[in-house]
Amino acid sequence: EIVLTQSPATLSLSPGESATLSCRASQIVTAGFLSWYQQRPGQAPRLLIFGASTRAIGIPARFSGSGSGTDFTLTISSLQPEDSAVYSCHQDSYLPPTFGGGTKVEIK
Amino acid sequence: QVQLQESGPGLVKPSETLSLTCTVSGGSISNSYWGWIRQPAGKGLEYIGRIYSSGTTNYHPSLQSRVTMSIDTSKNQFSLNLTSVTAADTAVYFCAHSKQYCSAGNCYRYFELWGRGTLVTVSS
Repeated sequence: EIVLTQSPATLSLSPGESATLSCRASQIVTAGFLSWYQQRPGQAPRLLIFGASTRAIGIPARFSGSGSGTDFTLTISSLQPEDSAVYSCHQDSYLPPTFGGGTKVEIK
Repeated sequence: QVQLQESGPGLVKPSETLSLTCTVSGGSISNSYWGWIRQPAGKGLEYIGRIYSSGTTNYHPSLQSRVTMSIDTSKNQFSLNLTSVTAADTAVYFCAHSKQYCSAGNCYRYFELWGRGTLVTVSS
């Protein structure tokens, strides 16, 4: 089973700042099968990025994804109050599909 | 637009069977993959399994002996049965659309759309 390790566990930043979230896989993951999700409290996960770097429909341009191999990054530029959430990466390259433990982004 | 809605009992007794249904509206369930994912309180997301509209399934190895998924294209619904539940199965259960396609030599697979989730508590 592929383990996805996300860091940091928590980020506390002010509006307008940038957030850099890391997702490291225990084995090489094909970029097309790496995605990122946003989950606000009490809500379902929302697809942000698929294929490691492609924004889903309706996702603001301040969200961007990058990376390859075992290291992937989600960057949120110019943080907004509504970006307060848990962000999880997901690999569907190997069975079973797995999710990272999440990074909680807090907006001061 | 396509929406997913989970339904089923919110309370299940230990050793009994958890049964949930996901109803898809605004689109056809045919020719697609559909999945179940769960999230214990305060923890990360856990894949349970996936089913294609033809009925082909894939389950998480740790749950394979207890999980059955089925699909009813006439009702635009798919279902999850988890037998012999324990307190460890207490979680929010999500159904989701698993999108898979290839384009220009690259292939993609991800959970595109999720239901709102339903809390299932295992307790006597």
